[in-house]
Amino acid sequence: DIQMTQSPSSVSASVGDRVTITCRASQDISTWLAWYQQKPGKAPMLLIYTASTLQNGVPSRFSGSGSGTDFTLTISSLQPEDFATYYCQQASSFPRTFGRGTKVEIK
Amino acid sequence: QLHLHESGPGLVKPSETLSLICNVSGDSISDTTNYWGWIRQSPGKGLEWIGSISYSGNTYYNPALRSRVTISLDTSKNDFSLKVRSLSAADTAFYYCANGLYNYGYWGQGTLVTVSS
Repeated sequence: DIQMTQSPSSVSASVGDRVTITCRASQDISTWLAWYQQKPGKAPMLLIYTASTLQNGVPSRFSGSGSGTDFTLTISSLQPEDFATYYCQQASSFPRTFGRGTKVEIK
Repeated sequence: QLHLHESGPGLVKPSETLSLICNVSGDSISDTTNYWGWIRQSPGKGLEWIGSISYSGNTYYNPALRSRVTISLDTSKNDFSLKVRSLSAADTAFYYCANGLYNYGYWGQGTLVTVSS
């Protein structure tokens, strides 16, 4: 199985801050990477797929980059509704695997 | 707009079989562009992909669960199902159904399944 390692596990930030979350795959996954946002009591919501393609309806302050084994999710200017947990997921091979999540908390 | 909704028992006993159904509205489950999946989430193991099924019934399972899991389509009801056999406390989790093969753009709201006697 491909292991997905996210860092940090949590980050404290203020509204307006730029936040960067990283995800590392245990082997080359090209750009077969997705990012999700999850709020308490809700299902995950797809933000980005194929490493950098924004899902319809997702604000442009979210962006993704990377290829191979190293990927980044960036929130350019954190908004109140962005406080949540973020997960990466590889789509290169079965079984699909997820990172352990990064919780974005209010500073 | 695609809408998915899980249903099933909230409490099951150890060693028994869990059966969950995901009802789909807004599209046909047998549409050739559609793939469907089950994902679960527990505090201890995070998000775990259980498996997927194609519009034609081809299945893909997590090797860690393959021996205990079956996913199937019911085109007459436009839903798909998950069965997990030989349950233990480690199977306690929120279970989600979702649409997609590579990534999951639509999810059900999730259903909590607790395995306990």
